[in-house]
Amino acid sequence: SQTIHQWPATLVQPVGSPLSLECTVEGTSNPNLYWYRQAAGRGLQLLFYSVGIGQISSEVPQNLSASRPQDRQFILSSKKLLLSDSGFYLCAWGGWETEQFFGPGTRLTVL
Amino acid sequence: GENVEQHPSTLSVQEGDSAVIKCTYSDSASNYFPWYKQELGKRPQLIIDIRSNVGEKKDQRIAVTLNKTAKHFSLHITETQPEDSAVYFCAASSGSQGNLIFGKGTKLSVKP
Repeated sequence: SQTIHQWPATLVQPVGSPLSLECTVEGTSNPNLYWYRQAAGRGLQLLFYSVGIGQISSEVPQNLSASRPQDRQFILSSKKLLLSDSGFYLCAWGGWETEQFFGPGTRLTVL
Repeated sequence: GENVEQHPSTLSVQEGDSAVIKCTYSDSASNYFPWYKQELGKRPQLIIDIRSNVGEKKDQRIAVTLNKTAKHFSLHITETQPEDSAVYFCAASSGSQGNLIFGKGTKLSVKP
């Protein structure tokens, strides 16, 4: 069966510091991969999605970037964090017009 | 592109009552409509989904209805229980990309 991992689970970072969040998927090949951000009490904001290695589409302009160095690995990065980057970051995988499966999430607090 | 509107944003019901959450979408090419439940601090999880060739689908106390002509779909929860309290998200597949476009969520509170 398919599983999705995210780490770290929680992270507290100062403003201006770099960020790297990692997501890996097991049990499937060539999945579509997604990064979402969820502010406290808010909805799911799609940040990036990828249909294959090296293919990244950005949905919202921001100071974040994403990379997909391997088929089942998706990385979210920032060179300098802002206070507004705080939130719950969710990685998900899915196919064409099918269910998306979410990872356990990373709770990021920027101070 | 696809746009999904979800109402209400908050819903409070008494235990045992029914709850209804409604969503509308804009892309007539959308074919897949899932509903997710997110408990506090946890990941969203699929509770029920429906495809465009079906008008209604039921799973125990949960049902989803779809009206493709009007471009709206609804989640119905009967005999609500306190453990139904959570945030519920509807979504619709994007006709051009196959991605899911999510509504903004409904916070459901079931009072004992």
